[in-house]
Parts: sequence; structure tokens; C-alpha cells
Amino acid sequence: NAGVTQTPKFRVLKTGQSMTLLCAQDMNHEYMYWYRQDPGMGLRLIHYSVGEGTTAKGEVPDGYNVSRLKKQNFLLGLESAAPSQTSVYFCASSYSVRGGENTGELFFGEGSRLTVL
Amino acid sequence: AQSVAQPEDQVNVAEGNPLTVKCTYSVSGNPYLFWYVQYPNRGLQFLLKYITGDNLVKGSYGFEAEFNKSQTSFHLKKPSALVSDSALYFCAVRDINGYNFNKFYFGSGTKLNVKP
Repeated sequence: NAGVTQTPKFRVLKTGQSMTLLCAQDMNHEYMYWYRQDPGMGLRLIHYSVGEGTTAKGEVPDGYNVSRLKKQNFLLGLESAAPSQTSVYFCASSYSVRGGENTGELFFGEGSRLTVL
Repeated sequence: AQSVAQPEDQVNVAEGNPLTVKCTYSVSGNPYLFWYVQYPNRGLQFLLKYITGDNLVKGSYGFEAEFNKSQTSFHLKKPSALVSDSALYFCAVRDINGYNFNKFYFGSGTKLNVKP
């Protein structure tokens, strides 16, 4: 049981390049989230998904796109990377709290460290 | 607006002494409350949660947290700190009602330093 797996773990990009971060979870969770973590700013939500084929914007969505074609995978794309997107990116997943049985804590991946030069 | 506050950027405590990391929240209804720990260059790890029931909840590594509804607080505690507890701690709140029911709100994090 791997939990939440993020790839790649490290990446260096030049300004204007594109890339995709992959998140995979094997817990059959409905919800998946992408956060970025920057010094002194805690975690900020980029995009999230409440189920296969659905995505929604978080608090800092600009410059990012996401897709959830399969329930277990949530992809985060940068179409044209900028130095301001240098950050550590975390994927997380959880069950829905509706239904009363699952108490819905988040499970996190180990992070993907992205540097944009 | 929904928010979570961790008023201390850093908490310093001597090994063997009790520790408290504070968290207050402003989220409507009866949200679910969580504490996470992050070690350097690692992801966040779940420590404990409050859903309902006893106001004192116990979690991993000897940590516990006290829920106070009137003060909308959820402070993390440990009776005797270890050097290995040194890490970054995040309080999180999950809104389970209304439009934002699937959203988590995180505090800005508190760095705990336990000195030998």
C-alpha cells in the first residue's frame, strides 16, 4: 500500500517550459488536492477534485491546470513556467466525509520540489 | 471568511518539559479538526483529529489535543517533549457543511524546537 505517490520528486525548469506533476493514490479516495508550500506562507490550495472528471479552482490557480481522468490520478500542469512557481508541491487525497463513516483526514505525498530558473 | 490561526511561528521548549502549540479557527458549523506534523523535506503526516465526543483526543507519538468549542481552539499538547519532536506542525480544519464542505483550511505552521 503506497498511499499517495508524487512524481517527479525534483525538477528544474527554465522560464517558459512546461511540465506535468503526477499524483497517484491507491486508497480509492474521492477527493484529491494540489497544494504549494512556500516559506512563511504555509500551504496554499491550487486546485482540487471531488471525483473523476471534475476539478475546481483553489486559492492560487493561476498558471496551473489540472486533470482527473482516472479516480486514482490527479495531474498538475504548468503550461509556461515562471520563477514565481518555484515551490514545493504537495498532493493530498481523502475520503468524502458524507456517509458518516469516514472522518476525512488528508493523506499527503512526499512532495515535488520545483525550481524555475 | 474561514480561517485557521497559529499565533506562534516558533515554540521553544526543553526536553522533558510539557509543550503546547496553539490553534484557533474561524469556520462555521462543527468542522473536523486535525493536526499534522512535517519533518524536513517530507510530506505532512497525520497526528490526530477531533470529530465529536471527548474534548481531549489522543494521537500518535504521545501527542494529544484539547478542543474548546467556546474559544474555537484546538491546541496540541504533549506532557514531555522529546528532541525528536522538533518539526513543523500544522493545524487544519475541514469544513463539513454547506458550499465549502470538501475544503481544508490550514494554519501557517508552528516550528517546534525541543532543546536537549
